[in-house]
Amino acid sequence: SQTIHQWPATLVQPVGSPLSLECTVEGTSNPNLYWYRQAAGRGLQLLFYSVGIGQISSEVPQNLSASRPQDRQFILSSKKLLLSDSGFYLCAWSGTSGSSETQYFGPGTRLLVL
Amino acid sequence: GNSVTQMEGPVTLSEEAFLTINCTYTATGYPSLFWYVQYPGEGLQLLLKATKADDKGSNKGFEATYRKETTSFHLEKGSVQVSDSAVYFCALSANNAGNMLTFGGGTRLMVKP
Repeated sequence: SQTIHQWPATLVQPVGSPLSLECTVEGTSNPNLYWYRQAAGRGLQLLFYSVGIGQISSEVPQNLSASRPQDRQFILSSKKLLLSDSGFYLCAWSGTSGSSETQYFGPGTRLLVL
Repeated sequence: GNSVTQMEGPVTLSEEAFLTINCTYTATGYPSLFWYVQYPGEGLQLLLKATKADDKGSNKGFEATYRKETTSFHLEKGSVQVSDSAVYFCALSANNAGNMLTFGGGTRLMVKP
């Protein structure tokens, strides 16, 4: 069966520091991968998605970047964090065919920028 | 473009009450429709889905019917429990490259004993 992992679970970082959040998927090959942000009490905002290694699409301009160095690894990064980067970051995967559109989410990383 | 509109919460119910959370959508073509649930401090879990008109998705006592004529996918449960307290998200996938989902804003459900 497929599983998705995210780490760290919780992170407290000072403004201006770098960020690296990692997401890995097991039990599937060539998944689509997604990064979402959820501000406190708010809905989901799609940040990035990837349909293959090295292929990243950005949905909103921002202070963050994403990379996919391996088939089942998706990394969210920032060179300098802003206060507004605080939130709950969710990684998700889906299959690549039209009939595999369901997205499955990881447990999330809660980021607090002080 | 595609959009999903959910009733705003929070919805507060007593245990064993009937639940309805409204969801309507706008999309081109024939989207698939989903309900996800998010328990406090956790990621989203798929609750149920429907892929074509008149399909009924069901899981854990929850049901939703894909109504193309009213572009709706309302979530219902006959008797809620305290453990159903969570945020519920309606979403659609409009057969796009990348299988991207369009989410509603979420509805918080609070069930009191």
